[in-house]
This record gives sequence, C-alpha cells and structure tokens, in this order.
Amino acid sequence: GAVVSQHPSWVICKSGTSVKIECRSLDFQATTMFWYRQFPKQSLMLMATSNEGSKATYEQGVEKDKFLINHASLTLSTLTVTSAHPEDSSFYICSAQFGVTEAFFGQGTRLTVV
Amino acid sequence: GDSVTQMEGPVTLSEEAFLTINCTYTATGYPSLFWYVQYPGEGLQLLLKATKADDKGSNKGFEATYRKETTSFHLEKGSVQVSDSAVYFCALSIVQGAQKLVFGQGTRLTINP
Repeated sequence: GAVVSQHPSWVICKSGTSVKIECRSLDFQATTMFWYRQFPKQSLMLMATSNEGSKATYEQGVEKDKFLINHASLTLSTLTVTSAHPEDSSFYICSAQFGVTEAFFGQGTRLTVV
Repeated sequence: GDSVTQMEGPVTLSEEAFLTINCTYTATGYPSLFWYVQYPGEGLQLLLKATKADDKGSNKGFEATYRKETTSFHLEKGSVQVSDSAVYFCALSIVQGAQKLVFGQGTRLTINP
C-alpha cells in the first residue's frame, strides 16, 4: 500500500509553546487528509478534514484556532498545536487519501506537554 | 450520532487459538465497515472491509461479515499466530468517497507462543 509518513513520532514540549506535526504522502498525491486524536484507551476521534488548497473543516468541539491545519500541497499537511497545555497531550494520527481510494495512515505522533 | 462499540481488551490468547473480537455499530445511514490493525510503532493498516449488508471481508485469515440485522461486524480468525499481536480497530464510514471514519476504542491482542 501507499506510504504516509508522520513526523515527529514523539515530542515533548513546554506548556505555552507551539508544536508542529507533519504528515506526508510519500508515493501518491493526497487530495484529502484527515487528522485524528486518540486519548489513552479511547477511540481515534476525527479532528478535521483538509483538502489541498482550501481551509480545513473542523469537527464540532475542535478549536480551529488551537489546532491549525495547513494543507498547502498534495503531499504535505501540517497540524500545529498552538499554546499547548498538558490537556493537549495525546496521540495524533493523520491519514491521506487520493480521490475515493482507501485512506492510508501515518504512524502517529505522541505529544506530551509538560 | 454514529458510533462504534468494540469488545474491550486487552485480549490474550495462545497460539492457534480461535479469535473473536466483537464490534457493533450505530449509524443513521448505510455505512461501510472496516477493521484496521496497528502493529507496534506503525500506522493503522486496513485489514478488511465490507460495504453492504451480508458482505464478508477477508484478509490474512481474518474474516468479518456485515450483519445489518444485528448491526455487527465481528472479527474472527480460526488460528492466531504470535505475529497477529497488535491493536485492532473497528470503524465505519458513511461518506462515500472521502473516508471520514468513526472508530471503536481499539482492542489490544496479545498472542503467546
């Protein structure tokens, strides 16, 4: 299957700082990318859907000013957690899709805010 | 709203045992159903899927049948291997095309030799 690479795999940051997570489709062009968040022992929750060149669509309850998503090219989407706080600590996973094909997932990023 | 409820883990089995991981769903439309697997340190991989009632998805010895009457999509394998140790996620999508997925909470499976 196609490869989606997420970077970094894990990050620790201080409270109040911002963190950027990258999601790249390595061997295909991703017209749509999704960002999910997973709390311990809970489901992956969809945060937002982004289409290349347009603004992301956020799910209800997700603060768009807190979680900035940029999908500037067909192979890269970024999620920036702004002014991170300990409650933002979580596992973030992206997936990428071309057209109506299967969505492929990155390996996830574990964010710890101290 | 749409939701997926999965059998709670962790599940620990011996090699060659029979596996069942239960999954039930609630959806307003006619969802497609999926099982994803996540091996340690890797991203989620699609294991199998079914797009309509009575469809059976299968892959790598795993099977699941889309049961509309019981709103279920239970994952089964007749003889598990140590290499099957992973976290398994049941999911649904009601949007045709863009796979906006709703996931269950995941079930961690450990197979002992």
